[in-house]
Amino acid sequence: AQTVTQSQPEMSVQEAETVTLSCTYDTSENNYYLFWYKQPPSRQMILVIRQEAYKQQNATENRFSVNFQKAAKSFSLKISDSQLGDTAMYFCAFMKHNAGNQFYFGTGTSLTVIP
Amino acid sequence: EAGVAQSPRYKIIEKRQSVAFWCNPISGHATLYWYQQILGQGPKLLIQFQNNGVVDDSQLPKDRFSAERLKGVDSTLKIQPAKLEDSAVYLCASSTWTGEETQYFGPGTRLLVL
Repeated sequence: AQTVTQSQPEMSVQEAETVTLSCTYDTSENNYYLFWYKQPPSRQMILVIRQEAYKQQNATENRFSVNFQKAAKSFSLKISDSQLGDTAMYFCAFMKHNAGNQFYFGTGTSLTVIP
Repeated sequence: EAGVAQSPRYKIIEKRQSVAFWCNPISGHATLYWYQQILGQGPKLLIQFQNNGVVDDSQLPKDRFSAERLKGVDSTLKIQPAKLEDSAVYLCASSTWTGEETQYFGPGTRLLVL
């Protein structure tokens, strides 16, 4: 079975600073996707960034980037120039790329950006 | 493009009562997911549909939960009878079946069982 572990239940960062959220996963699959989702307070979950396992290049989306270490099964999210709107729960997710495409989520990291 | 729609947004019921949630996925999305998100936890997959067929319902408590997607579009999730521990946010998500498997989530239904 696949597991996704986020070992940091809560984090905080000063506005304009950089913060890194950790995620590790366990799988025997070779073909999969990894995602970071953001869930602001009382708002719906939205995709932040995704990474295909077969790509060696780390994904980047504006201020968000990942450090994907396939051998170590690590998938951390770096947020640069943190903004108050980045305050949210962040979930790491794993998806097997097969007929079922099942998703597995971590327990989340609550990030607070401090003015 | 319209997003994933869910209703109701909030529901309060007493234990042993029944409740139903509705989800309308993004047009053209073949895959539909129902998740249960208990406060402070990540979403847990309850059931996954591919068109109107069930792909995975291994974590669905089938003695009280049921779901259907009869025409491969809208879906309903029912709880009968509800227990206190069913209090959670129920999220619906949908995705395409083209290899770009990003899930798009609805706003969720917040259920409180008293």
